[in-house]
Amino acid sequence: EAGVAQSPRYKIIEKRQSVAFWCNPISGHATLYWYQQILGQGPKLLIQFQNNGVVDDSQLPKDRFSAERLKGVDSTLKIQPAKLEDSAVYLCASSLGRIDYGYTFGSGTRLTVV
Amino acid sequence: AQSVAQPEDQVNVAEGNPLTVKCTYSVSGNPYLFWYVQYPNRGLQFLLKYITGDNLVKGSYGFEAEFNKSQTSFHLKKPSALVSDSALYFCAVRREGDDKIIFGKGTRLHILP
Repeated sequence: EAGVAQSPRYKIIEKRQSVAFWCNPISGHATLYWYQQILGQGPKLLIQFQNNGVVDDSQLPKDRFSAERLKGVDSTLKIQPAKLEDSAVYLCASSLGRIDYGYTFGSGTRLTVV
Repeated sequence: AQSVAQPEDQVNVAEGNPLTVKCTYSVSGNPYLFWYVQYPNRGLQFLLKYITGDNLVKGSYGFEAEFNKSQTSFHLKKPSALVSDSALYFCAVRREGDDKIIFGKGTRLHILP
């Protein structure tokens, strides 16, 4: 089966600019997650979708971050405006949603804010 | 709230020796426990999971992990390390009834030739 696709792989922007990341989950996976992984830290959940609805966005900095999952398939994560501390790898993962199931992760987008 | 602790930032092991990467967890109710591995510039790859049943679970690449409920631990082990095992390893926990996975901060495993 095809994996979780993410693009771009790398992005360098100046602070206060905006950026968007794209994720295409595994076909049939109802649940989609965006994680932020800062260098030297474990992944931190930003937002969880179930189909096209938001289940949990309690850790999403909503003043600058937004995410959507149109039609319950692809998802985009946007940052506007970016800050230096947003430099991280943004990982997308998808899951069948079964409680005993792990996630399948994409390769991530490495964002550098300068 | 659930949490995961990986007490070692880095573990160094000589090739051919057994390795252990430690993990302890805190969660209310029954835990679902996972290990993931991350190679440079790659996403996280699933290694193994404990859901229920036998406390010793076997996973990919010869890795195994032992669930110890009394010590709330889920240490990752391999009998004989390979240089190619060098990577970043994450322990993660999912609480029964909750479908979010919480990750530890990771342990860098360095296998010395």
